[in-house]
Amino acid sequence: DIQMTQSPSTLSASVGDRVTITCRASQSISDWLVWYQQKPGKAPKLLIYKASSLQNGVPSRFSGRGSGTEFTLTISSLQPDDFATYFCQQFNLYPWTFGHGTKVDIK
Amino acid sequence: QVQLVQTGAEVRKPGASVKVSCKASGYTFTSYYMHWVRQAPGQGLEWMGMINPNGGKTTYAQKFQGRVTMTRDTSTTTVYMELSSLRSDDTAIYYCARSLNGMDVWGQGTTVTVSS
Repeated sequence: DIQMTQSPSTLSASVGDRVTITCRASQSISDWLVWYQQKPGKAPKLLIYKASSLQNGVPSRFSGRGSGTEFTLTISSLQPDDFATYFCQQFNLYPWTFGHGTKVDIK
Repeated sequence: QVQLVQTGAEVRKPGASVKVSCKASGYTFTSYYMHWVRQAPGQGLEWMGMINPNGGKTTYAQKFQGRVTMTRDTSTTTVYMELSSLRSDDTAIYYCARSLNGMDVWGQGTTVTVSS
């Protein structure tokens, strides 16, 4: 199985901060990577697909980069609605696998 | 609008089975694969498997092989996930989600509690 390693596991930040989350794959997955946001008690929400494409309706402050084994999710200016947990997931090979998540909380 | 609606919470005893349904609406049912993902309390996301509603072909994670069965009913645009030989560590929220590039529409989740 492809292992997905996210860092950091927790990130404390303030409104307006630029934040970056990293995801590394244990083998090359090309650009078959997505990012989700999850809030407590809710289903995950797709933010970014194919590593860098913004899902319809997602604010442009979210962006994704990377290919192969190294990927990043950046929020350019953190908003109150962005405090949540973020997961990366590869869909290059079955079984699809997720990172363990990065919780973004208020500093 | 596009939505996936799942059955309500279930409670089972260890060793029993549970069957969760996911009714799709607002789109062409056979055009998107459907996946099942679970999340144990306070934990991350775990992909269980998928079904192609167009033909019914399934792919399961090795961890669940032999215990999980995913089926679909095209007449009611519903997919089902049955998990057998339940253990306490199967206690989780179970989500269905359709995929195109990633999982773009999710059900609301079904809490399955396994307790004696």
